[in-house]
Amino acid sequence: NAGVTQTPKFRILKIGQSMTLQCTQDMNHNYMYWYRQDPGMGLKLIYYSVGAGITDKGEVPNGYNVSRSTTEDFPLRLELAAPSQTSVYFCASSLRDRGFPLHFGNGTRLTVT
Amino acid sequence: ILNVEQSPQSLHVQEGDSTNFTCSFPSSNFYALHWYRWETAKSPEALFVMTLNGDEKKKGRISATLNTKEGYSYLYIKGSQPEDSATYLCAFRQKVTFGTGTKLQVIP
Repeated sequence: NAGVTQTPKFRILKIGQSMTLQCTQDMNHNYMYWYRQDPGMGLKLIYYSVGAGITDKGEVPNGYNVSRSTTEDFPLRLELAAPSQTSVYFCASSLRDRGFPLHFGNGTRLTVT
Repeated sequence: ILNVEQSPQSLHVQEGDSTNFTCSFPSSNFYALHWYRWETAKSPEALFVMTLNGDEKKKGRISATLNTKEGYSYLYIKGSQPEDSATYLCAFRQKVTFGTGTKLQVIP
């Protein structure tokens, strides 16, 4: 099993550009999450999904969109990149809720200039 | 917004010392609490998943306790080693809200 795979690893965007961060998992997990890591702020939840076709907002959803058309994939879309979106983005998945831990991808480092 | 707080923010200990950190969370509507270990330039890895009041979990020299009635969990490291240096995160399982972490540096 590859686990949770994120692409790309690094990306530099200009203000106003758009891009999609890809996340895929091969563990047949129902739950998937997107977090951003800001210095000194820990991990903030952007969006999450409890299954294919179902998504919901986290703490910091503004400026992002997600979709979950399959169990495996949970892409994160930035439509109009802003410098405030410079961060490290982590995708994670868990089999179910509550007693099941999160498995994280290796992260995508995004810089918006 | 759920408030999950960790203390201290950072900690330097000598090799061989034992140490502990605290995670505080809302005591109402408890669901589950997770502890993760996050090494620099890597991804967080799960240490413990705790769901019941009074839970105690252990993995080698690391252990954790849970008090859901008063809303706190402790993580203990016995005989710290340099390889224990990492940031330790707790996460409250409703929408998986993370604390800001305790950064541990073990000095050889």
